[in-house]
Amino acid sequence: DQQVKQNSPSLSVQEGRISILNCDYTNSMFDYFLWYKKYPAEGPTFLISISSIKDKNEDGRFTVFLNKSAKHLSLHIVPSQPGDSAVYFCAAISSGNTGKLIFGQGTTLQVKP
Amino acid sequence: IAGITQAPTSQILAAGRRMTLRCTQDMRHNAMYWYRQDLGLGLRLIHYSNTAGTTGKGEVPDGYSVSRANTDDFPLTLASAVPSQTSVYFCASSPSRMNTEAFFGQGTRLTVV
Repeated sequence: DQQVKQNSPSLSVQEGRISILNCDYTNSMFDYFLWYKKYPAEGPTFLISISSIKDKNEDGRFTVFLNKSAKHLSLHIVPSQPGDSAVYFCAAISSGNTGKLIFGQGTTLQVKP
Repeated sequence: IAGITQAPTSQILAAGRRMTLRCTQDMRHNAMYWYRQDLGLGLRLIHYSNTAGTTGKGEVPDGYSVSRANTDDFPLTLASAVPSQTSVYFCASSPSRMNTEAFFGQGTRLTVV
């Protein structure tokens, strides 16, 4: 039972263009959503998060959008840079429950120069 | 500043053997997690601990056990390793289960033959 789903295994965009990574979830108890970035042979690193009481959070080139009614969130990267090439994981947590931090399958982003 | 440290970085293990993966953090974080990363499946939660002295089961706990005797250490034990436990294992910590940002170790690559 995959509670957090990233249905696109990979995405390729041109440098300078927008990258949009998508994530769906099934558990309505999730109240925080996060994006992590992972380079090969390294652990994931935190990128940006959003609370369920918001629908948008922006940090520099990164913006996360949350659509609670659709149980969908997305990460926008504008403009995309070659250094953004990595695996991006969507994650969710239910703070009122056990605190389990649940991840999606990941999307590999390639930004071409 | 070490942050979160995992040992060993890699290991080849004979099936049926017992193995403990070590994880230590020096950030005094309350919550700690163990994940395994497998191609196409993303990061799956094995076990977690919200505070010293407590542990909980994640999405894929079978075949693994954990303990949390103190704040800093969260070892993961495979009592009798099987080939399906071949994976990359990541330990993570966060200040509390309410916190949105978890910090990850560099990972342990385990091969069970």
